[in-house]
Amino acid sequence: GIQVEQSPPDLILQEGANSTLRCNFSDSVNNLQWFHQNPWGQLINLFYIPSGTKQNGRLSATTVATERYSLLYISSSQTTDSGVYFCAVERVYSGGGADGLTFGKGTHLIIQP
Amino acid sequence: DTAVSQTPKYLVTQMGNDKSIKCEQNLGHDTMYWYKQDSKKFLKIMFSYNNKELIINETVPNRFSPKSPDKAHLNLHINSLELGDSAVYFCASSQPRTSSNTGELFFGEGSRLTVL
Repeated sequence: GIQVEQSPPDLILQEGANSTLRCNFSDSVNNLQWFHQNPWGQLINLFYIPSGTKQNGRLSATTVATERYSLLYISSSQTTDSGVYFCAVERVYSGGGADGLTFGKGTHLIIQP
Repeated sequence: DTAVSQTPKYLVTQMGNDKSIKCEQNLGHDTMYWYKQDSKKFLKIMFSYNNKELIINETVPNRFSPKSPDKAHLNLHINSLELGDSAVYFCASSQPRTSSNTGELFFGEGSRLTVL
């Protein structure tokens, strides 16, 4: 199956700092999503971004599908950004079948006040 | 209104018991999933149903049996619970990815199962 590697595994920053989280994947995919799991365990979908760049407030994401990586940028971090950020990828076949999203191990982000 | 809801949120039980977790989604999605998150936060897909039909069945002990009575519900029944089954089980739903749908995944709040 597809391998998904996220880096760094852990990141501690001060409030107001910027950060870049990376996701590498081992094969071509046509579905890539970023999720945030908050300290209470809720999993929230941040971006669907199989290619290109998207922005939502202080968060943005870029996927370079040909080079098999995606980046999640967080600017002006706030304590509420703390949690685990997951990248997940999937291959969807032309016949309609799919493998299901494969998740990376996540980046554990702590934003200190 | 909760889009994907699971019950119960917490479940503590003894080894050998049988338990069920229920999931319902009101998003009108065709596809539902069960994911398992272990103590190291690793998320792994277990099952996927599309319009009540099983389409993904990962290598999971046959003590785990999903059931989808209709496309808005996907339940998970676990027989003969073992210590290693302790985890958080997440239900999720999406539309199949097509030219007009992105297939974004929406998760329930999770059900924390503790086997003693």
